[in-house]
Amino acid sequence: SQKIEQNSEALNIQEGKTATLTCNYTNYSPAYLQWYRQDPGRGPVFLLLIRENEKEKRKERLKVTFDTTLKQSLFHITASQPADSATYLCALDNNQGGKLIFGQGTELSVKP
Amino acid sequence: EAGVAQSPRYKIIEKRQSVAFWCNPISGHATLYWYQQILGQGPKLLIQFQNNGVVDDSQLPKDRFSAERLKGVDSTLKIQPAKLEDSAVYLCASSLDSYPETYEQYFGPGTRLTVT
Repeated sequence: SQKIEQNSEALNIQEGKTATLTCNYTNYSPAYLQWYRQDPGRGPVFLLLIRENEKEKRKERLKVTFDTTLKQSLFHITASQPADSATYLCALDNNQGGKLIFGQGTELSVKP
Repeated sequence: EAGVAQSPRYKIIEKRQSVAFWCNPISGHATLYWYQQILGQGPKLLIQFQNNGVVDDSQLPKDRFSAERLKGVDSTLKIQPAKLEDSAVYLCASSLDSYPETYEQYFGPGTRLTVT
């Protein structure tokens, strides 16, 4: 069956450390993978998009990797801050015309 | 630029009643999406419009849910009759375009529906 799995446990880290979130998928062949941030009571906010032929993408303190062999994407936040505390969602496009399939999200908490 | 607008923000209804949600996407965005997000889960696509045509409604429970996008701009999502399991946040999103490219989606704040 098709599955997208993110870290099921909440991630708690200390301010200044690097947070690494995992997104694994099964029985999909995505052309793209996107990462979103969602704060309580709000809609998701787009962060990064990476294509299947790209290994890595960076934006300020954010870095995403995409390994189509391992069927995995890693999302890194370097020099994390308490303001980075939120739920992070990965979403993939299964070559179906822009339709996104979301993972369940990982809650990140950055302690000062 | 103005973001995606949704109303109402909250709605409480009894089971078997009907409810409607409204969405105004970002100006110029051709594609509009309605998602259902149950607590603790990621958003699940219900329906995708490109301009005023339906691209994907494979996960829309058509016996009780309906949606339309008038003149390729605003959209409404209706539930009639509501069930307890429809309690969720209903998110509207828009993007510049969709197939064959994938674009980032811009989400509204959502409508939190509670069915009692």
